[in-house]
Amino acid sequence: QTVLTQEPSFSVSPGGTVTLTCGLSSGSVSGGYFPNWYQQTPGQAPRTLIYDTSTRSSGVPDRFSGSILGNKAALTITGAQADDESDYYCALYMGRGLWVFGGGTKLTVL
Amino acid sequence: EVQLVESGGGLVQPGGSLRLSCAASGFTFNTYWMTWVRQAPGKGLEWVADIREDGGEKFYADSVTGRFTISRDNVKNSLYLQMNSLRAEDTAVYYCAIWVRFSGDIRSESFQHWGQGTLVAVSA
Repeated sequence: QTVLTQEPSFSVSPGGTVTLTCGLSSGSVSGGYFPNWYQQTPGQAPRTLIYDTSTRSSGVPDRFSGSILGNKAALTITGAQADDESDYYCALYMGRGLWVFGGGTKLTVL
Repeated sequence: EVQLVESGGGLVQPGGSLRLSCAASGFTFNTYWMTWVRQAPGKGLEWVADIREDGGEKFYADSVTGRFTISRDNVKNSLYLQMNSLRAEDTAVYYCAIWVRFSGDIRSESFQHWGQGTLVAVSA
């Protein structure tokens, strides 16, 4: 069974930089998995932030960026703001119509 | 404006059935794959199923295979999820989303535009 591992929680100071990661149990994350990142605040639907590793979705501020760091997908927030406090989920496309989500990272901005 | 509106959720007993709907508007529905993603209370997102533009291909998570059926009606611009043999662990908010597979001519894979979700509660 494929498992994506994310940090359960992370804290960043306002104006600071934070990098969240997404690891794959069966090996390395590559662009071939089209890594996606989704942001979700309590009671709201997910919002697409990043897809295809590093492409920002429409309307997403450029303080959000995606990359591959080592063998993981990464989401970096540069200049964190209070309203970035959310849950962040990575997702990989495994092929043949199958997707898998990570367990999510709860980001606190304080 | 793209809109996805889920409906059909509710309280159902274990072993029961429920049919979710997702009404789509603001885009050419029959040119996109569609997907269902769920979220159990206090838990993370879980991909459930997806369906090709013409309904000819369907894929399911292992956790729902054999119990859930995804379908679509391209005349009514609607996506469906028939859920049978429901279990307590199926309790979740169910979201529909558009699965975008190309950006122009370039291969791309992402879920864009999500509905607000519908809550399914399985309990005696």
